[in-house]
Parts: sequence; structure tokens; C-alpha cells
Amino acid sequence: DAKTTQPPSMDCAEGRAANLPCNHSTISGNEYVYWYRQIHSQGPQYIIHGLKNNETNEMASLIITEDRKSSTLILPHATLRDTAVYYCIVFNSGGSNYKLTFGKGTLLTVNP
Amino acid sequence: GAVVSQHPSRVICKSGTSVKIECRSLDFQATTMFWYRQFPKKSLMLMATSNEGSKATYEQGVEKDKFLINHASLTLSTLTVTSAHPEDSSFYICSVETSGTGELFFGEGSRLTVL
Repeated sequence: DAKTTQPPSMDCAEGRAANLPCNHSTISGNEYVYWYRQIHSQGPQYIIHGLKNNETNEMASLIITEDRKSSTLILPHATLRDTAVYYCIVFNSGGSNYKLTFGKGTLLTVNP
Repeated sequence: GAVVSQHPSRVICKSGTSVKIECRSLDFQATTMFWYRQFPKKSLMLMATSNEGSKATYEQGVEKDKFLINHASLTLSTLTVTSAHPEDSSFYICSVETSGTGELFFGEGSRLTVL
């Protein structure tokens, strides 16, 4: 899987938008961008994924640059419960090999 | 999505004993489950892929004789840590993939402490 680069930590004020960046400059054409998060001492939780178009669901929005070398996960109105480590992963799901490689992620701390 | 449950959530054992961790897919028949390990303040590391009715596939550096995986049914995979040592103390997490899109559903994790 292609390597991703994320800042180790970020802070955000409660109620504001949290924008988490991810660089994946070596992504290949058939690799998707996935975002997961892990709240302390829990299993990871799927958030969203996309290939080239921007995506939005009830949890977040995913903005992927046109060259696909970077993306941003947006939590529109962060709450204290959004404090977690956020993992950006690039992955080719078309091969039916769902072995995700987790990097170090970004620890997002939402402050009151 | 799938609901994945692990048991026990926490276990403490003595060095040299064996510990079994169960991973159940409650609402989905999973032919494949994944086992991860996470040391404190580290990221998740894939240990093995559990395949229903066949042998598990282990990642490089993971001892298959120490971490026994059994996937006897479509809803249950077990991980047995044999002859546990303090360095095996970790957070063990299983996951299943259901939709063919790469979206994984994870269990709550099992924290093993070996004294």
C-alpha cells in the first residue's frame, strides 16, 4: 500500500470544523483513500472513503485534490466525542485483499 | 454494517499460560476475519488473516505456533496466545470486511496483560 503522511497531532475547538490533512503523493490509480478513527481503548471505526470525487456522509466529508496526492477529512462541527486518532490509509480494495496498513495517524483533540 | 464482538474485553494471566480471545460477527457471515495487535501508543499491526475452514495466513514476523487462529464457523474466529509472556501484553483487535469496498468493521478489542 502507498505511504501516507499525517501530522501527529491537531487541536480543534468544540463546535468548529476540524480539517485533517493527509499526503499520499505515491498513490496509484486504483487505490482509494480511507479514513478510520480510533477512540482511546476502542477498536477503529470506519469514517469514509473515496477514489477521486469528494465524498460526504453523516460523519464527515472527504476532499481529494485533483492530482489525488493529498486529501482532507472534514468534521464539520467537532464535538468532544470526536477526540481520537484519525488514520488516513490508501488501499486497493479491488483486489479483494482487505489488509489495511495503519500508520501513526493524527491525534485530534477537541477542546471545550 | 457488521457488528463485531470480542470476548473477553480484558484478561490478565500468568506467564506461561494460554489465553483464548473470541471474535464474533453477530450479523454477518464472515469468511475472512483479520486480527490486529496494538502496543501502547503504537499503531495497529496486522497479525494474520483468518479464513473460515482453512489455515490462517500470518504476516511476516508473527509466529503461527504461538498465535493459534481457528475460524471454524462463519461467525466465529478465535485467537489463542500460547505460553504467554509479558511481552505479549497488548490490545488485540479483530475485524471483518462485508461489502467488498474495503470498509472494515472492528471489534471492541481485547486487552491482554501477562504477569
